[in-house]
Amino acid sequence: RKEVEQDPGPFNVPEGATVAFNCTYSNSASQSFFWYRQDCRKEPKLLMSVYSSGNEDGRFTAQLNRASQYISLLIRDSKLSDSATYLCVVNTYTNAGKSTFGDGTTLTVKP
Amino acid sequence: DAGVTQSPTHLIKTRGQHVTLRCSPISGHKSVSWYQQVLGQGPQFIFQYYEKEERGRGNFPDRFSARQFPNYSSELNVNALLLGDSALYLCASSSPPMDRGDYNEQFFGPGTRLTVL
Repeated sequence: RKEVEQDPGPFNVPEGATVAFNCTYSNSASQSFFWYRQDCRKEPKLLMSVYSSGNEDGRFTAQLNRASQYISLLIRDSKLSDSATYLCVVNTYTNAGKSTFGDGTTLTVKP
Repeated sequence: DAGVTQSPTHLIKTRGQHVTLRCSPISGHKSVSWYQQVLGQGPQFIFQYYEKEERGRGNFPDRFSARQFPNYSSELNVNALLLGDSALYLCASSSPPMDRGDYNEQFFGPGTRLTVL
């Protein structure tokens, strides 16, 4: 079983749709959580951090459930430019820092 | 300001050869991490270096090694290349290291695409 698991998709949605991505992690010692976005053949870029209280940035909302070890990302009013792969990232600090990425969920927004 | 830079951008090697990849972090960043990304998968953590010391290591064989220099740039070395080492190798820099438990953003370079024939 992978430490961080995501539904690979692909998710194909029309412009204006609302889409939700889920991510689960297995290491209960994990301490910080992120969503990164990766465009085709480009490097990953931070989309947003995910805090215990949940956080929102414009059309994007991220939530964390530590008890269920579950992270989510909600995108409202999808735009064509949202088409990308969304990577769930979990950082764990035991003896040293380790950053674990999921394999990503691919989103295609169509006109 | 320049972002994270990596060289070379592309590299073709044959099995059994050795390769050295280079990374320069964002000015002021002292932590560098290396990742391997195979097509269709997320980046896999290889190493983290902070202030020239190894601060984290992923599940990679001893053929993989790295070091960080006094100017905080870093090299990733891979010996005895295998076909399965073909991947995009990403370098990321951050200001404090990951092991402080803070929400530190990692800034990624464009990567080095390695092909092993």
